[in-house]
Amino acid sequence: GQSLEQPSEVTAVEGAIVQINCTYQTSGFYGLSWYQQHDGGAPTFLSYNALDGLEETGRFSSFLSRSDSYGYLLLQELQMKDSASYFCAGSFYNQGGKLIFGQGTELSVKP
Amino acid sequence: DTEVTQTPKHLVMGMTNKKSLKCEQHMGHRAMYWYKQKAKKPPELMFVYSYEKLSINESVPSRFSPECPNSSLLNLHLHALQPEDSALYLCASSQGWENPMNTEAFFGQGTRLTVV
Repeated sequence: GQSLEQPSEVTAVEGAIVQINCTYQTSGFYGLSWYQQHDGGAPTFLSYNALDGLEETGRFSSFLSRSDSYGYLLLQELQMKDSASYFCAGSFYNQGGKLIFGQGTELSVKP
Repeated sequence: DTEVTQTPKHLVMGMTNKKSLKCEQHMGHRAMYWYKQKAKKPPELMFVYSYEKLSINESVPSRFSPECPNSSLLNLHLHALQPEDSALYLCASSQGWENPMNTEAFFGQGTRLTVV
């Protein structure tokens, strides 16, 4: 099957850097997306990697290593407003545009 | 306009009621989705419409009935729901469905449904 694993929760302090990892099963894997969801809000697209390497968008970066079946989301200069759930989501050749979501990582940013 | 608009934001319904959830997007996206999300869990795909035709039904009970009247609108008709159907129902859209590259999904704010 196709599944993605990520830690259930991460805690960090304001101003710090945090990395949220995501491992996936390789069968038919095409690309990895990241979504942010605040309590009571909608998931919001953050980034997408189909190729190995780092994609940077402001304070957020996402990395993919296809050989290691692994990716991560890197959040720098953490702010209190970054407290949210972060989901990695895989897209797979035999699933069309369907996203397979990880279980989500709840990030708590402390002062 | 990069918004997906859902109405209503909150809905309380009895188990014998019939209600509908509505979703609208004006980004020209050809794929629209219904997801169900329970607290502290990821969104679970329910239905996919591609070019206004139902492409995927993830074995959803028939008490949930989707409808796509046109390329901008998506409805979810609810009938004889159970308390365990209480959840956040999210609508999303993306450029396309067939290509795994077109995966950036835009989500609406959701309808928080409570079945009593």
